[in-house]
Amino acid sequence: AQSVTQPDIHITVSEGASLELRCNYSYGATPYLFWYVQSPGQGLQLLLKYFSGDTLVQGIKGFEAEFKRSQSSFNLRKPSVHWSDAAEYFCAVGSGYSIASKIIFGSGTRLSIRP
Amino acid sequence: GAVVSQHPSWVICKSGTSVKIECRSLDFQATTMFWYRQFPKQSLMLMATSNEGSKATYEQGVEKDKFLINHASLTLSTLTVTSAHPEDSSFYICSARDRLSGAVNEQFFGPGTRLTVL
Repeated sequence: AQSVTQPDIHITVSEGASLELRCNYSYGATPYLFWYVQSPGQGLQLLLKYFSGDTLVQGIKGFEAEFKRSQSSFNLRKPSVHWSDAAEYFCAVGSGYSIASKIIFGSGTRLSIRP
Repeated sequence: GAVVSQHPSWVICKSGTSVKIECRSLDFQATTMFWYRQFPKQSLMLMATSNEGSKATYEQGVEKDKFLINHASLTLSTLTVTSAHPEDSSFYICSARDRLSGAVNEQFFGPGTRLTVL
């Protein structure tokens, strides 16, 4: 069964510093991989997605993620964080190609920004 | 494009009453919609998958008689929480899959509905 692990529950970085949020997945075939961001009391916003092709994926708001099959990882990075990046970040993996395919979410990483 | 709306955005109800939450795909047709539940500071848990014109498929542990899902059209799915109790208080999020999307496994998420049961 597919699963997603986000080992860091809470991360605090200084404004302007670089960021890396970790995500490891378990899935038997080539997965669909996503990163979402959620501000308090809000819905989910898609930051980026990987379906196939180039393993370095560019997203919105200056985020990027790299798919590493050998490490079963899809870590999210940003070279310089802004105070507005403080939010909850979810990594997710999707299965297969059928119409009933599900997306499984990791437990989330809460990002705080130090002024 | 690919906008999903939910109504209401928040609702407060008394224990024992029923509450209906609507999920609409505004600019695309969705043969499949999903309902998630999110407790404070937790992740999203899939409750059920609904396909237009057929019965919803519920995840293990989700009471189908308590959480009634109807997907009567290609743009609307509803979740009714019947006989709501305080433990049903949560953030409910829906998502929809575009019928014409080549990336079959991409879902577009609504803004969520905050349910508080007194």
